[in-house]
Amino acid sequence: GNSVTQMEGPVTLSEEAFLTINCTYTATGYPSLFWYVQYPGEGLQLLLKATKADDKGSNKGFEATYRKETTSFHLEKGSVQVSDSAVYFCALSSYSGGYQKVTFGTGTKLQVIP
Amino acid sequence: GAVVSQHPSWVICKSGTSVKIECRSLDFQATTMFWYRQFPKQSLMLMATSNEGSKATYEQGVEKDKFLINHASLTLSTLTVTSAHPEDSSFYICSASDYGYTFGSGTRLTVV
Repeated sequence: GNSVTQMEGPVTLSEEAFLTINCTYTATGYPSLFWYVQYPGEGLQLLLKATKADDKGSNKGFEATYRKETTSFHLEKGSVQVSDSAVYFCALSSYSGGYQKVTFGTGTKLQVIP
Repeated sequence: GAVVSQHPSWVICKSGTSVKIECRSLDFQATTMFWYRQFPKQSLMLMATSNEGSKATYEQGVEKDKFLINHASLTLSTLTVTSAHPEDSSFYICSASDYGYTFGSGTRLTVV
């Protein structure tokens, strides 16, 4: 079946540091890939997505490129802020059994300190 | 953009009672909605896929009689936790598909 593996956290960075959160996936066919963010006490919000190989999703300074050859979708940001502290989930969606399913990674907690 | 409203955001109930959680798509129609459960420090687990006008499709290991799902209209799906017990305490999140997957804000259920 499908699976998503992302780096364990927590990841602690100083403000303005460079961020990378690794995400690799296993899936049949051609899944769409997503990054979601969950701020403390809130639900998930879509951060960015990519629907085909070599697509780059970007939003709020975050980027991720759909790499089919390495089955990866790593999240990056050049300069993190304290307000970026949250849990980040990598996810994929694909059709299985006739309907679309979403598979999530375990989430990576990011802590940005001033 | 697409908005999904989930209510209530938190609820405390006594063991043995039932709790209903609502999930509404506010500005789009969703023939399919999804219900997830999130355990502490763990990922979201898909519980069931809710299809408008038909029975929900439950994931393996999810008790259909305990987690009742009703998708009566194109904008509303409900999850009812029946005869709740402390082990049902969790964070429940719904989502609906528009151009992406829009999530509700989640419901924190505590069973005492």
